[in-house]
Amino acid sequence: GAVVSQHPSWVICKSGTSVKIECRSLDFQATTMFWYRQFPKQSLMLMATSNEGSKATYEQGVEKDKFLINHASLTLSTLTVTSAHPEDSSFYICSARMTSGGQETQYFGPGTRLLVL
Amino acid sequence: GDSVTQMEGPVTLSEEAFLTINCTYTATGYPSLFWYVQYPGEGLQLLLKATKADDKGSNKGFEATYRKETTSFHLEKGSVQVSDSAVYFCALTNFNKFYFGSGTKLNVKP
Repeated sequence: GAVVSQHPSWVICKSGTSVKIECRSLDFQATTMFWYRQFPKQSLMLMATSNEGSKATYEQGVEKDKFLINHASLTLSTLTVTSAHPEDSSFYICSARMTSGGQETQYFGPGTRLLVL
Repeated sequence: GDSVTQMEGPVTLSEEAFLTINCTYTATGYPSLFWYVQYPGEGLQLLLKATKADDKGSNKGFEATYRKETTSFHLEKGSVQVSDSAVYFCALTNFNKFYFGSGTKLNVKP
């Protein structure tokens, strides 16, 4: 199936620093990518929808200035956690939507584990 | 709003046992339904999907049938293996948004 990669796979940072996470669709173009956050033993929570060439659409309760999303090309979306704090520690997962034969499927990246000290 | 409810885990089975993980949904319109699997420390992998009523998705011995009359999409496998141990998420997509269940952890013992 289609492949989506994330980089880095894990990151440890100090409180107050910013962290950038990349999401790439490796073998298809994705005009739409999604960013999720997963807390331990819980389901995925959609944070925002990333649209190539336009502003991201954030879900209710997600701070736009805190979680900056840029979708500069058809294969890359980035999530920047600005001024990270310990409560931002989480597993961040992206997905990319592929349309083929009139059907849409989302393919998920392997996730990025963020630990803020 | 749209939502997915799946049985709480963990589910512990012996190898070769029959597996059922229940999933029901609430949605307007005509959603597509999915099962995703997450192995420890990894992201989600698409296991199977069904896009309309009465469709059966299947992969790696797992099956699920889209039942509109009962708004269900239960996951089944006739004989589980230790390697099937993972967390399974039921999900639906409707109007370009994904909604996930809370996940069910499956432990298969040798």
